[in-house]
Amino acid sequence: EVQLVESGGGLVQPGGSLRLSCVGSGLTFSNYVMSWVRQAPGKGLEWVSGISGSGDTTYYAGSVKGRFTISRDNSQSTLYLQMSSLGAEDTAVYYCAKITTYPTADYWGQGTLVSVSS
Amino acid sequence: QSALTQPPSASGSPGQSVTISCTGTSSDVGGYNYVSWYQQYPGKAPKVVIYEVNKRPSGVPDRFSGAKSGNTASLTVSGLQADDEADYYCSSYAGSTFLWVFGGGTKLTVL
Repeated sequence: EVQLVESGGGLVQPGGSLRLSCVGSGLTFSNYVMSWVRQAPGKGLEWVSGISGSGDTTYYAGSVKGRFTISRDNSQSTLYLQMSSLGAEDTAVYYCAKITTYPTADYWGQGTLVSVSS
Repeated sequence: QSALTQPPSASGSPGQSVTISCTGTSSDVGGYNYVSWYQQYPGKAPKVVIYEVNKRPSGVPDRFSGAKSGNTASLTVSGLQADDEADYYCSSYAGSTFLWVFGGGTKLTVL
């Protein structure tokens, strides 16, 4: 059974940084494109970033480009999202998702909450 | 890249059918046959119910169907049941730069 488990969320001050992790199991992790999707409290879904199976190609939404960095360690079946210059608008539950073909994600993690506040 | 446009709410009685629309542009919905729909219960991760406009993943009841005409996609839920009450999000491939765009979501209420 495929499982994705996120961690690393928490409370951070405006302007701060945070790194999220997503560990996959039950799949050959390097075979799959992965993405981060976030959901602000009471709001809709927003795609944040995506990365190829090899890690060679990355994509970002305009709202996070230049501030967030996606990466992966296939030897550890782990996806990362390094977030910096965080603002209140980044407060959200962050989900990692396994992509079949954009825009289809067939497996999602349970989400990790990032709160940006002073 | 702008979000796709969905009605904020939809409703129907048990056994009825309801259709949720999703309007984009020729750069996303209208340009590709890559539209997916997600069902999300409160506090839970989304679950795909339709992909590539009108395909159902295994395990999704055939009461769920999808279609597309021009820049507008739609999700129809037939034979409404109580556990269909959830938020539904459409999403589309949006090209090699923006990749993935979502609609604002529709809250489906089963009366």
